[in-house]
Amino acid sequence: AQKVTQAQTEISVVEKEDVTLDCVYETRDTTYYLFWYKQPPSGELVFLIRRNSFDEQNEISGRYSWNFQKSTSSFNFTITASQVVDSAVYFCALRPLYNQGGKLIFGQGTELSVKP
Amino acid sequence: NAGVMQNPRHLVRRRGQEARLRCSPMKGHSHVYWYRQLPEEGLKFMVYLQKENIIDESGMPKERFSAEFPKEGPSILRIQQVVRGDSAAYFCASSQGSTAEQYFGPGTRLTVT
Repeated sequence: AQKVTQAQTEISVVEKEDVTLDCVYETRDTTYYLFWYKQPPSGELVFLIRRNSFDEQNEISGRYSWNFQKSTSSFNFTITASQVVDSAVYFCALRPLYNQGGKLIFGQGTELSVKP
Repeated sequence: NAGVMQNPRHLVRRRGQEARLRCSPMKGHSHVYWYRQLPEEGLKFMVYLQKENIIDESGMPKERFSAEFPKEGPSILRIQQVVRGDSAAYFCASSQGSTAEQYFGPGTRLTVT
């Protein structure tokens, strides 16, 4: 089965706190991609990162960082020094490369609220 | 370079009417995906199309829903005889290939009254 689980439905933090959003996935495929998308209150979906299953290096982009651990099937997302503008719903997604074409399998999303 | 365009952004239909949702992919993209986001839920894949071909429609409801991506013009998601349960946000995404990033449009919010 192909599945993405984001166990945290809602997280609330105060500005400048660090926050980690968890993502656990299931797939039988050996080759796959993982993604994070941001959905702000305006509703659009903003691409944040793509990571392939062969690349376990952590990635940092400004205040954002991602920790991919194949051994635990996790692809967690950390926001450092959170800001009010980070308030959004964040989706983790899986794309099995060969078995099911190009479709994305999304988690349920984590709603992050950053209070001033 | 314009992003993925969807129209209309908001659509209200009465039960039993037809809804047509349009998606124009980014320039140079020939792969289109449709996803549905029901209230308080994540996005669910519906259908994957390339020009003039349906590649994967495993997420499409068996009845009332259809999709096309003609040689010329936008991709169309068509819902016949809409019911209240069809109320959702419908997102289109496009990519250059099946392994490339998918870029999403702003979505069409369908409300069935």
